[in-house]
Amino acid sequence: DVKVTQSSRYLVKRTGEKVFLECVQDMDHENMFWYRQDPGLGLRLIYFSYDVKMKEKGDIPEGYSVSREKKERFSLILESASTNQTSMYLCASSLTGAAYGYTFGSGTRLTVV
Amino acid sequence: QQPVQSPQAVILREGEDAVINCSSSKALYSVHWYRQKHGEAPVFLMILLKGGEQKGHDKISASFNEKKQQSSLYLTASQLSYSGTYFCGPDISSGSARQLTFGSGTQLTVLP
Repeated sequence: DVKVTQSSRYLVKRTGEKVFLECVQDMDHENMFWYRQDPGLGLRLIYFSYDVKMKEKGDIPEGYSVSREKKERFSLILESASTNQTSMYLCASSLTGAAYGYTFGSGTRLTVV
Repeated sequence: QQPVQSPQAVILREGEDAVINCSSSKALYSVHWYRQKHGEAPVFLMILLKGGEQKGHDKISASFNEKKQQSSLYLTASQLSYSGTYFCGPDISSGSARQLTFGSGTQLTVLP
């Protein structure tokens, strides 16, 4: 079964810490995405990547960066975590082309204290 | 800009029907629909690629009106397993790298 795996289900970090969220997919998908999910706001796109070492900003990139050194791995980095970054973070991947849906990971619930 | 979904929440009895609407302020290339159960990842339901296209599987179907920049999801004779939050994800990408902007979701609860 195809999978998108996020390294942590729950994470608690302190304000100002550098935080790494990892996502790995085993489907050889070209495209990978990071979303954050907040009540009432749905899923908002932070960053996405359509190829190794390529990245594009989404709708809310401020305070985040990403890294994609290998095709199967896409990392989200919070340079200096703040309490307003407390959220559920979802990683997704897809093949290239308009006819393909996304496969999501189970999410990482990040709490910044 | 995020698409607007309506209603925000709906409660049904088993066997009843529901319609969820999704409206975008931008031209759409396609529309995705996903369902997310509590504590789980969103799961892909279907994509509509062309204006006027209708699709469905089981008793869940959808339509896409490209000109109106709208899509609707139809749940017929709902089952308990249909409960969850439904998201539409219009593709408004202008470049070759396609990305989705999701609505805030519609919470569907099906009661026995």
